[in-house]
Amino acid sequence: EIVMTQSPATLSVSPGERATLSCRASQSVNSNLAWYQQKPGQAPRLLIWGASTRATGVPARFSGSGSGTEFTLTISSLQSEDFAVYYCHQYNNWPRTFGQGTKVEIK
Amino acid sequence: EVQLVESGGGLVQPGGSLRLSCAASGFSFSSSWMSWVRQAPGKGLEWVATIKQDGSEIFYVESVRGRFTISRDNAKNSLYLQMNSLRVDDTAVYYCARGHHGLDIWGQGTMVPVSS
Repeated sequence: EIVMTQSPATLSVSPGERATLSCRASQSVNSNLAWYQQKPGQAPRLLIWGASTRATGVPARFSGSGSGTEFTLTISSLQSEDFAVYYCHQYNNWPRTFGQGTKVEIK
Repeated sequence: EVQLVESGGGLVQPGGSLRLSCAASGFSFSSSWMSWVRQAPGKGLEWVATIKQDGSEIFYVESVRGRFTISRDNAKNSLYLQMNSLRVDDTAVYYCARGHHGLDIWGQGTMVPVSS
């Protein structure tokens, strides 16, 4: 099983600032990596797939990068609606696995 | 409107069974891989199972293999999860989602508490 490790667990950021979230895979997942946003009481929302492709309707301030074992989700200028938990997810191998999540909170 | 709606959740005793359903609308269900993902209270996401469009390929997380069965009825645009021999650690919100790569459509989830 591929273990996905996200860091940091919690990120405190002021509105308008940049946020950088990391995700590391225990072995290569190529570019088969997705990012999701989840707000309290809601289902996850797909943000990024293929490591760097934004899903339909996702604002351009969200960007993904990386391949192999190291990935990054960047939110260029945090808006109030971006405070949430973010998960990475590898779909290169079975079983599919998620990271434990990074909570982005208001500083 | 593109939508997935889960149903069938509820309190069940350890060792019991439950069948979850997921009704799809607004997209070509029969052309879509479909998945179940769960989330224990206050915890992260855990992939549970995935089924190919025609049901010819099915995958499970190890912890549910032999106890859970994913299936689908393309004529009814519906996905199912039969859960047997339920354990306390199966307690979670269960989401159905479209896809087996990026999961791009999610239902609102159905809660399954397993408790005596």
